[in-house]
Amino acid sequence: DTGVSQNPRHKITKRGQNVTFRCDPISEHNRLYWYRQTLGQGPEFLTYFQNEAQLEKSRLLSDRFSAERPKGSFSTLEIQRTEQGDSAMYLCASSLALLAGGNTQYFGPGTRLTVL
Amino acid sequence: EDQVTQSPEALRLQEGESSSLNCSYTVSGLRGLFWYRQDPGKGPEFLFTLYSAGEEKEKERLKATLTKKESFLHITAPKPEDSATYLCAVQGASGAGSYQLTFGKGTKLSVIP
Repeated sequence: DTGVSQNPRHKITKRGQNVTFRCDPISEHNRLYWYRQTLGQGPEFLTYFQNEAQLEKSRLLSDRFSAERPKGSFSTLEIQRTEQGDSAMYLCASSLALLAGGNTQYFGPGTRLTVL
Repeated sequence: EDQVTQSPEALRLQEGESSSLNCSYTVSGLRGLFWYRQDPGKGPEFLFTLYSAGEEKEKERLKATLTKKESFLHITAPKPEDSATYLCAVQGASGAGSYQLTFGKGTKLSVIP
């Protein structure tokens, strides 16, 4: 059973450029989540998908951020016109929905974004 | 709004010196409380899920417990390889279909040989 994978692992870009990250969830996991983590902080929720539907977005997700999950498989997170404040670790997680109770989210290794 | 506070922020232990990490939380209906371990530059690694007060789970030198207001991660006879940041997160039941995790800032554990 392979875990969650993310690509690229590191991305350095100049302010104003667009970047796109990819996440491949654990196979058969129907929920996929994006989080952002800065140094010394816990991960902060950005958005989540159930299958191909984007069901929730955080106030942190400005208009410059967009996420997709075509066909309910992999997901992409795009940041347009990057700013230095976007520098962070972007984490993807996936889970298998249960009928009741909480569900455990498994995280990928993250994509470290540095905006110069 | 769900909130999670972890203490202490950092903890240094001698190898073999047992201790506990605290996670205090406020949430509108608890779906689950989660503990993760995170090594520098890596994604969080799942440790435990707790669902209701009184529940306990163990894995090797780690034991997690849950009350209505807080959770503890007990580390028994730690080894240097247990050094990491330990994250606590809650999943609340506010709003239909809300499955996001709210994390604390973590406790950075250092175990000295």
